[in-house]
Amino acid sequence: QKEVEQDPGPLSVPEGAIVSLNCTYSNSAFQYFMWYRQYSRKGPELLMYTYSSGNKEDGRFTAQVDKSSKYISLFIRDSQPSDSATYLCAMSQSGGSNYKLTFGKGTLLTVNP
Amino acid sequence: KAGVTQTPRYLIKTRGQQVTLSCSPISGHRSVSWYQQTPGQGLQFLFEYFSETQRNKGNFPGRFSGRQFSNSRSEMNVSTLELGDSALYLCASSLEAKLAGGPMGYNEQFFGPGTRLTVL
Repeated sequence: QKEVEQDPGPLSVPEGAIVSLNCTYSNSAFQYFMWYRQYSRKGPELLMYTYSSGNKEDGRFTAQVDKSSKYISLFIRDSQPSDSATYLCAMSQSGGSNYKLTFGKGTLLTVNP
Repeated sequence: KAGVTQTPRYLIKTRGQQVTLSCSPISGHRSVSWYQQTPGQGLQFLFEYFSETQRNKGNFPGRFSGRQFSNSRSEMNVSTLELGDSALYLCASSLEAKLAGGPMGYNEQFFGPGTRLTVL
């Protein structure tokens, strides 16, 4: 079993839809939970990070972490064609190991105008 | 402010050869990490360097090595290339050296565009 599992999709939605992306994990030592967005032929860029359990909102994006269930989610409201990309969840531990990110395989999202 | 730069962007090698990839971090960043991205395995951590020392290491064979220079630039080397080494190699840099935990303890990593390596 991989440490981080993510449904690879692909996911295709109409413009304006609410998108839900999810990851599960098995390592209870993870403390930092990130969502990255990767456009074709580009490196990943950080969208949001959350420490431990809880919710975090940034504009149209909301990240949720449930450590008791080892489950994290990213919600995108009012999705736009420019949101079309691969979304990667990533996690790390505290301390000196927090540079070692463990990624899900990514979900390819297409938002159709 | 310039981002993370990686050279070369594309590389074609044959089995058995060796290759060296280069990464220049964002100015002032002292930590550099390397990742391998493949369709089958996704993004996997290779190693991380801070102040010229390897601080974290992933589960890759010894054919994969790296180093960091005093100006924080980093190189990674793959010897005796195999077909399975074909991948996008990503470098990421980070400013802080926070080792404490807690909500302010996260060190954001900024990724470069990657080097696409094809092994024939």
